Amino acid sequence: GESVGLHLPTLSVQEGDNSIINCAYSNSASDYFIWYKQESGKGPQFIIDIRSNMDKRQGQRVTVLLNKTVKHLSLQIAATQPGDSAVYFCAENISAGKSTFGDGTTLTVKP
Amino acid sequence: DTGVSQDPRHKITKRGQNVTFRCDPISEHNRLYWYRQTLGQGPEFLTYFQNEAQLEKSRLLSDRFSAERPKGSFSTLEIQRTEQGDSAMYLCASSHREVWTGELFFGEGSRLTVL
Repeated sequence: GESVGLHLPTLSVQEGDNSIINCAYSNSASDYFIWYKQESGKGPQFIIDIRSNMDKRQGQRVTVLLNKTVKHLSLQIAATQPGDSAVYFCAENISAGKSTFGDGTTLTVKP
Repeated sequence: DTGVSQDPRHKITKRGQNVTFRCDPISEHNRLYWYRQTLGQGPEFLTYFQNEAQLEKSRLLSDRFSAERPKGSFSTLEIQRTEQGDSAMYLCASSHREVWTGELFFGEGSRLTVL
């Protein structure tokens, strides 16, 4: 069977390594998915988004993968840097209405 | 600064008091959202407006909570008879309905502590 990445509340990686953050979403009707980064004392900040008719989208050092069959989303960060240390949230959205956020993953980058 | 601004950034109050938070969205954004976030959790949706119309309210928004956006620009969130369980970060975000990209632009939040 297909392996699905587990959501982990914390993730620690070495600087320069790649990071993979996983998220399970709940509503099969969701048609838009977004990743946010939240640094301490600040509001969430948009990283990248993907529509439900896509399975992969790349940005600068980040890639989002969407698996609708198992309702799973992942964020890959290449060459992780200390400035990437933060809490990462996925969010799902239906028809441009409200966004529903998942549980966060705290990423710590070790120098 | 043309981002979303929230005021006050911090509020400490005694149980039973009323508090009001204000949010000024990005000027060309017609949608405004309120979320609540407790430590270690993702933001929980409370309510959102398109222009001055309140389009959706969460069941989390008890009758002690009221939000307004009277002129379709800034918004206020009032909590009456505060309880200790109301202690949280209250986040405001805005977006543009006609230029929907999925991105919400968040303010830095108003942290409420109820003693």
